[in-house]
Parts: sequence; C-alpha cells; structure tokens
Amino acid sequence: AAGVIQSPRHLIKEKRETATLKCYPIPRHDTVYWYQQGPGQDPQFLISFYEKMQSDKGSIPDRFSAQQFSDYHSELNMSSLELGDSALYFCASSQASKFATGELFFGEGSRLTVL
Amino acid sequence: AQTVTQSQPEMSVQEAETVTLSCTYDTSESDYYLFWYKQPPSRQMILVIRQEAYKQQNATENRFSVNFQKAAKSFSLKISDSQLGDAAMYFCAYRSMTTDSWGKLQFGAGTQVVVTP
Repeated sequence: AAGVIQSPRHLIKEKRETATLKCYPIPRHDTVYWYQQGPGQDPQFLISFYEKMQSDKGSIPDRFSAQQFSDYHSELNMSSLELGDSALYFCASSQASKFATGELFFGEGSRLTVL
Repeated sequence: AQTVTQSQPEMSVQEAETVTLSCTYDTSESDYYLFWYKQPPSRQMILVIRQEAYKQQNATENRFSVNFQKAAKSFSLKISDSQLGDAAMYFCAYRSMTTDSWGKLQFGAGTQVVVTP
C-alpha cells in the first residue's frame, strides 16, 4: 500500500540558509500535517492543511511557511535557519471524515541538521 | 487545550513478560480518539492501537491491549508476551473530533520501553 513520502530524507544546511521539505500524502487523503521532533522530545505540531487551505497552526516559527498544492503534496519552507531548527520533521496525512479510521499516517521523516 | 501525560520516562521488561504503560489526558470534549504510536530506533512513527472515545470496549491488537477509563481520563497500554522487537519509544496521543481542531495529534512525552532477554 502507498505510504506518505517525504523528501529529502536527510538535509544538511548552514546557519541562515534556507531549506525546503516536501511531502506526498497517501492518495485520496485530503489533510496534511507537519510535525517537528527535536532530540529526545515528542513531536510538536507545526501546521496542517485541509483541501489546500491551512486548517490549523501550532508552534511554527515565523521563519517557516508551508503550503499544500493542487496535487495535495505539501512543502515546508524554512528560512534563516538556526541551530535549534535541527530536528526530525514528520509529515502525516489523513482523511478528514468521521467515517475514516481517525489515525494519522506518518512518513519516515526528514532529518535536518543545521551547522 | 488538551494535554497528554505519560509519567513513566522508561519501563524495562523481560522477554515474554508483560508491561503496562500509563497515559492520562485532560479534555473537556466528549468525542475524540486516543492512540498509542511506537517509534523504534529508525524513528518511524508506527500506529500500535487506536480507541474511539464513544466505544466502551477496550481495543485489542494481538499482543497489545488498552485499558480505557473515560471518566478517569486514563488510557494505558499493555504489552503481553514482550518481544525484543517491542523495544521502542511509545507515545500516547489524543486527537480531537471537534470541527475547529479536527486532526491535530497531541502527543505525550513518551515512554521508552527496554526489553531484556
């Protein structure tokens, strides 16, 4: 079965550089979520999109932006990178339906290292 | 806002034995989902088990079962016949079903399960 695809899997950037992470949700999933997981921490919700519109926003820095495109893939753009942005970034997808199973399906994550 | 609390940073269990992970949550909502996700060293987030709040029957998936106490806002996970492959970080998670916050998962801090031979 198709899963959530994230790219790149690993990314190394210098401070103050820009990074872009991509996420391809499971086909027919209409909602995409982005999470950030620092070392030894639980995943923190950043932002979500439903049918290409932002549906919820969490602790996402102003330096970060995201969008969902017409083909439902999503991109997380991170600018003016700081050392503290080094983390594992998860994308997840789901169906926003009360008849769905309710779970979020996670990608394998993109590991960002800022030097 | 909902909060999820896992009070056990680490639990150790011997192979073939049983271990129970605790989770409590705080919410004023009546409709929600609860989940246990497993994160092995590969860091992949894997669903272990789900529970719909309106269902009184506790969910079971093979060796994994939950004890859902809605009034007490408690959602513990029992792993029976533990195997080396169960070693991982386990996260309890809450998902609201209200219209304005549908979808977001709120995670607990996690419990590291160590399985010894």
